[in-house]
Amino acid sequence: AQSVSQHNHHVILSEAASLELGCNYSYGGTVNLFWYVQYPGQHLQLLLKYFSGDPLVKGIKGFEAEFIKSKFSFNLRKPSVQWSDTAEYFCAVRGDPYSSASKIIFGSGTRLSIRP
Amino acid sequence: GAGVSQSPRYKVAKRGQDVALRCDPISGHVSLFWYQQALGQGPEFLTYFQNEAQLDKSGLPSDRFFAERPEGSVSTLKIQRTQQEDSAVYLCASSFKDRANSPLHFGNGTRLTVT
Repeated sequence: AQSVSQHNHHVILSEAASLELGCNYSYGGTVNLFWYVQYPGQHLQLLLKYFSGDPLVKGIKGFEAEFIKSKFSFNLRKPSVQWSDTAEYFCAVRGDPYSSASKIIFGSGTRLSIRP
Repeated sequence: GAGVSQSPRYKVAKRGQDVALRCDPISGHVSLFWYQQALGQGPEFLTYFQNEAQLDKSGLPSDRFFAERPEGSVSTLKIQRTQQEDSAVYLCASSFKDRANSPLHFGNGTRLTVT
């Protein structure tokens, strides 16, 4: 069965600090990987996704993530955070839909707080 | 509308009451998902529809939970004889196609509080 682990429950950074949020997944087949963000009072939004090809994917607002297959990891990074990045971040995995595993499984989330 | 719409936004139910939560997906979206998000947790998969067919209901926690999408558009999640552990935010998401590269669009959720 698929599962996703996010190592940090709450991360507190100052503005301009660099960010890396850890994500590890468990799945035996081809995976699609996602990072979603939930800003306070808003719905979940897609930040970036990996399906195939270049393992370094770039998303919105300067975020990027690197898929390392050997480590089953998909860590989220941003070189310099802003106060507006304060939000909850969720890593998610979706198995190949042709293997009847169309559901997306989410991690427990990491709350990011940025000090102005 | 432009996005996924869920109603009501908030629902308070006394233990033992039945509740019905509605989801209006984006027009034309084939796939529809329901998730349950408890406080401080990530969304947990409940069930999935492709058009009107419920293809996966493995995440429904008990037979008190029932979901339907009779005409392949609007979906209703019903919870019978609510319990306190049912308190959570219920999220609906839709996507245009049943493909991994079709992004999910989430609604704002319904916050259910069972007293």
